[in-house]
Amino acid sequence: AQKVTQAQTEISVVEKEDVTLDCVYETRDTTYYLFWYKQPPSGELVFLIRRNSFDEQNEISGRYSWNFQKSTSSFNFTITASQVVDSAVYFCARAAPNRDDKIIFGKGTRLHILP
Amino acid sequence: NAGVTQTPKFQVLKTGQSMTLQCAQDMNHEYMSWYRQDPGMGLRLIHYSVGAGITDQGEVPNGYNVSRSTTEDFPLRLLSAAPSQTSVYFCASSYSHNTEAFFGQGTRLTVV
Repeated sequence: AQKVTQAQTEISVVEKEDVTLDCVYETRDTTYYLFWYKQPPSGELVFLIRRNSFDEQNEISGRYSWNFQKSTSSFNFTITASQVVDSAVYFCARAAPNRDDKIIFGKGTRLHILP
Repeated sequence: NAGVTQTPKFQVLKTGQSMTLQCAQDMNHEYMSWYRQDPGMGLRLIHYSVGAGITDQGEVPNGYNVSRSTTEDFPLRLLSAAPSQTSVYFCASSYSHNTEAFFGQGTRLTVV
């Protein structure tokens, strides 16, 4: 199976620090799609971003930014000036172009922002 | 704007009992899926459907059945619950398998 690896199981940082969550994926496809989802302590899963493999431009949305590097098969997520509300589990996921290929999620990184 | 509605939110079953987790979406999405979330295991795909009448197995399908008779509904059936099925279950829907997924609120299932 083509895996998605989030090597950081748990991270703790002090509020206002920057933090980067790593995501490394495996794929045999030329076209594929990458996602990040957030799961706050309340438990719901919230979509953050989707990228396709042809768009390597970095994305910034407020304090959130994503660095997509095909050369290293990585799609890392950075939170700048972290806040307590950023405390959550973050999941990275990969989907292939063929609809019969299964979406693969990483195991998640639990992020604690300490006040 | 309901999105994905998943019921029940909590359930306790005895070993061997059966039950159905309900999932309905009102966004006319073709793709629906069920996941289970266990500590340290992330989200694992149980079954998915690419449209009404079409279902397929995910990563951990054993012990679960699904059907998709309508675009809106995608119920998950546990035929004979086992303690190993204690987990949090999420239903999700999306326009396609590679677009943003909308998740239900989750069902916390305990099998004793």
